[in-house]
Amino acid sequence: DVKVTQSSRYLVKRTGEKVFLECVQDMDHENMFWYRQDPGLGLRLIYFSYDVKMKEKGDIPEGYSVSREKKERFSLILESASTNQTSMYLCASSSSGRVGAGELFFGEGSRLTVL
Amino acid sequence: AQRVTQPEKLLSVFKGAPVELKCNYSYSGSPELFWYVQYSRQRLQLLLRHISRESIKGFTADLNKGETSFHLKKPFAQEEDSAMYYCALSTYNTDKLIFGTGTRLQVFP
Repeated sequence: DVKVTQSSRYLVKRTGEKVFLECVQDMDHENMFWYRQDPGLGLRLIYFSYDVKMKEKGDIPEGYSVSREKKERFSLILESASTNQTSMYLCASSSSGRVGAGELFFGEGSRLTVL
Repeated sequence: AQRVTQPEKLLSVFKGAPVELKCNYSYSGSPELFWYVQYSRQRLQLLLRHISRESIKGFTADLNKGETSFHLKKPFAQEEDSAMYYCALSTYNTDKLIFGTGTRLQVFP
């Protein structure tokens, strides 16, 4: 069974703090993704990575950065958290090597509140 | 730009009634469409994809390229179908998924 683990389920941070959200997958997947999930807006892609040390911007990268130093780990970084970044953050992974998208396997989510 | 539209935020039906969750997409090429589901307090998971052409938990979805739609259907809803449903689009030769805004399905007893 594919397991995607997000280290923090709930976080409360103050405006201006630096925030790290960690995600680890155990199925040797090449692709990893960070989405944010907001009511009425669905899932919006922040960043994704096809390989170690590789990253590409998604639809809403502003205010975020990512790091992928190891294949199994993909970190989302909020350099200076703001209240509009209060959201549920979902990490996902998928395998590559086929035409089109593979099945995304999601973590349980990290609910971030920025005060 | 590629886009997925789910016009209904909430769909409420009684147990045993037919269900259709609407999904329309915009993409000029050959799309790959998916339905993902999130049950209460569970992680988001794949329900079905159009290339599989299979029925999962009684749900089916047919890709209609003429109407650019991929509606999710079930002839007889069950209470355990209550969940959040997201339609998603993948464009040619990419692993990235574009999601719709989601539809919450409530099935009443």
